[in-house]
Formats: sequence, structure tokens, C-alpha cells
Amino acid sequence: AQSVTQPDIHITVSEGASLELRCNYSYGATPYLFWYVQSPGQGLQLLLKYFSGDTLVQGIKGFEAEFKRSQSSFNLRKPSVHWSDAAEYFCAVGARGAQKLVFGQGTRLTINP
Amino acid sequence: GAGVSQTPSNKVTEKGKYVELRCDPISGHTALYWYRQSLGQGPEFLIYFQGTGAADDSGLPNDRFFAVRPEGSVSTLKIQRTERGDSAVYLCASSSDEGNTEAFFGQGTRLTVV
Repeated sequence: AQSVTQPDIHITVSEGASLELRCNYSYGATPYLFWYVQSPGQGLQLLLKYFSGDTLVQGIKGFEAEFKRSQSSFNLRKPSVHWSDAAEYFCAVGARGAQKLVFGQGTRLTINP
Repeated sequence: GAGVSQTPSNKVTEKGKYVELRCDPISGHTALYWYRQSLGQGPEFLIYFQGTGAADDSGLPNDRFFAVRPEGSVSTLKIQRTERGDSAVYLCASSSDEGNTEAFFGQGTRLTVV
């Protein structure tokens, strides 16, 4: 069965600092991987996705993620965070595109001024 | 429409009552999904429609939960004999039929059972 683990429930970083959010997945075949962001009272917004090809994917808002098959990881990174990045971040895996996504528990990001 | 629309945004109901939650997907999207998000958790899959038919309803927790999409557009999630444990945010998403590469989510309906 598919599963996603986000080891960090809450992360605090200073504005302008770099960010890395961890995601580990369990899936028997080549996964479809996603990162979503959820601001308070808002729906989920797709940041980026990986289906195949280049293992370093670029997304919106300056985010990127790297797929590492050997480590079953898909970590999200940003070189310099902004106060507006404060939100909940979810990693998800799908068997076939965006169908029937399995989400991690989420990581809440707090930005210190 | 411009995005996925869910109504109502908030619903408070008494234990044992019946509720309906509505989802209007993005125009032209043939795939529609329902998820449930409990407090402090990630969304959990409930059901997936391709057109009018439920392609996968394996996430529905029990027979009190039912969803329909009679004309292949708007969908309604129906919960009978609500329980306090049903309290959660119910999210709807839609995607095009072209490989389902991205699901667009609505803002959700917050259901509170008292």
C-alpha cells in the first residue's frame, strides 16, 4: 500500500533563510509525486509535481523538489523564504497521476521576521 | 467556473441528521474527487468519479456515506445519520481527462456534528 511520511510536524525558519521540507514515500512502482500548500481557510494549491524525467523539478513561488529513488524521498526546497510562505505543506503520492492521492500528515511552516 | 466551488463553506448539524455537501468542478473537467481532512491530518481519499460513474469508492468509510454525480458535472456527497466523528473538512477536487496530471481543489466544506 502507498504511504507518505512527513517527519517534521512543525518547522520554524527565519525570513530569508533556506528551507527544506522532508517527504518519504512507500510505493511499489514508479510514483507520481506532488507537493501542495494550504493556507488557513484555503484549499490546496499545487506547488509542483514529478511524473518522470529530470529528478529536479521546479514549481511555483520559487520552490523546487528533488526525487531520489534510492532514498524514496521527494524533499521540497526553497533558497530564501518569505513571510508569505507560512502555511501547511503536504506531500502526496499517486498511483496514476492525480487519481486517489495519498497525503502525508503535513508540515506546518512558521516564518520568524 | 473559474475554480472548484464547494457549498456550503460551513455546516453545523446535530448528531443523527442527514447532510448534503455540494461540489461544482471546473467546467469541462471529467474527473472529480472527494477527500476528507480531519484536524491536524492530511486529506484522505473518499471517492473518485470519472464522468457520471464512481470509478473508485474504496475510501468511503461506511454505508452512511454516499456520493452522486448524475450529469457528470456537479457532485453531492451525502452523509446519513451523522456522527460526531464525521466532523472534518470535506474537500472536492477536479481534473481534466488528459492524464489527470493535476487535481484542483476547492476550499472545502467544514462539517461540524454536535
